[in-house]
Amino acid sequence: NAGVTQTPKFQVLKTGQSMTLQCAQDMNHNSMYWYRQDPGMGLRLIYYSASEGTTDKGEVPNGYNVSRLNKREFSLRLESAAPSQTSVYFCASSEKRAGGETQYFGPGTRLLVL
Amino acid sequence: SQQGEEDPQALSIQEGENATMNCSYKTSINNLQWYRQNSGRGLVHLILIRSNEREKHSGRLRVTLDTSKKSSSLLITASRAADTASYFCARRKAGANSKLTFGKGITLSVRP
Repeated sequence: NAGVTQTPKFQVLKTGQSMTLQCAQDMNHNSMYWYRQDPGMGLRLIYYSASEGTTDKGEVPNGYNVSRLNKREFSLRLESAAPSQTSVYFCASSEKRAGGETQYFGPGTRLLVL
Repeated sequence: SQQGEEDPQALSIQEGENATMNCSYKTSINNLQWYRQNSGRGLVHLILIRSNEREKHSGRLRVTLDTSKKSSSLLITASRAADTASYFCARRKAGANSKLTFGKGITLSVRP
């Protein structure tokens, strides 16, 4: 049981290049999330998917697109990378329970845009 | 901002001492959660406290919630060097379909 996995672990892009960050979970969770973490800013929600086939914008969606490919996979795409998108990106998944919903995080993707 | 504040921003203590971290928020919540992040890793859920609860325990962790003051505290007793990490408070606002809002984190260093 791997939990939440993310690929790649590290990536260096030039301004204007595109790339897709992959995320998969094996816990059969309905909800999945993409966050970015910047120094002094905490975690900010980019996009989320409450269930397969649905996606919604979070706090900082500009410059990103997402795809909920199936229940397991949720990808984040940068169409034209900018230096401001240099960050650490975390994917998470969650399942609603009676006591509350907690999130399970992947190990992160460290992205540097030059 | 609805994120509130975490206090202190950084904390350094000796192994064996207790560590107290605080979190305040501004809007009504459904629950409040604490997460830990070790350097270079993802966040790990520690404990969840619902708005109708005042205190919860999990091993060496004790969380309190005061909804009248809109604040929560995380106490780690008998700290260990392995507790060195960043700790995040995350609030889920009251209302359907609300999302978790994370604070900026508290950096805890436990000296051996």
